[in-house]
Amino acid sequence: GAVVSQHPSRVICKSGTSVKIECRSLDFQATTMFWYRQFPKQSLMLMATSNEGSKATYEQGVEKDKFLINHASLTLSTLTVTSAHPEDSSFYICSARDDFVARDRGPSNTEAFFGQGTRLTVV
Amino acid sequence: AQSVSQHNHHVILSEAASLELGCNYSYGGTVNLFWYVQYPGQHLQLLLKYFSGDPLVKGIKGFEAEFIKSKFSFNLRKPSVQWSDTAEYFCAVNKRDNTDKLIFGTGTRLQVFP
Repeated sequence: GAVVSQHPSRVICKSGTSVKIECRSLDFQATTMFWYRQFPKQSLMLMATSNEGSKATYEQGVEKDKFLINHASLTLSTLTVTSAHPEDSSFYICSARDDFVARDRGPSNTEAFFGQGTRLTVV
Repeated sequence: AQSVSQHNHHVILSEAASLELGCNYSYGGTVNLFWYVQYPGQHLQLLLKYFSGDPLVKGIKGFEAEFIKSKFSFNLRKPSVQWSDTAEYFCAVNKRDNTDKLIFGTGTRLQVFP
């Protein structure tokens, strides 16, 4: 299947600093990517939908200025956690669908591929 | 609000035992249904999916799931588990609208002992 790569897989940062997480679709184009957050023993919570060439759509309760999303190309979306605090420590996962397949089947009927996740620890 | 419930949070089985993990969703419209698996240290991987047609779907590694529309359920089954099935299992629902968002259940941790 298609591959979505996230980088870094683990990061530790100091409180108050910013951290950038990259999500790349390696062998397909993705106009839309999704960012999730997973707390220990909890579900993946959708944070935002990243749209190439336009602003991201954030879910209710997610701070836009805190979690900056940039989708500058059809294969790369970045999530920047700004002024990180210990409560931002979590597991962040991105996913993407193949544009070509989605155009044919419709986005709802197209499998989403997931990155391996990024474990962020803010100290 | 739409939600996905997985009632089994942690399941422990011996090899060769049968498995059934529950999944219920609350959305009343047309949905697509998925089961994902996450092996330790690895990506989420798709086990199986239901879009339409036969409500009994077969996935990889001997897993299957049955969509029962009247019960809003999509339970995952495997007749005989193996130690290598130890993983976290997530049920997910995708409304068939333009939002194409995946809503995940809380996950079920499966441990299989030899």
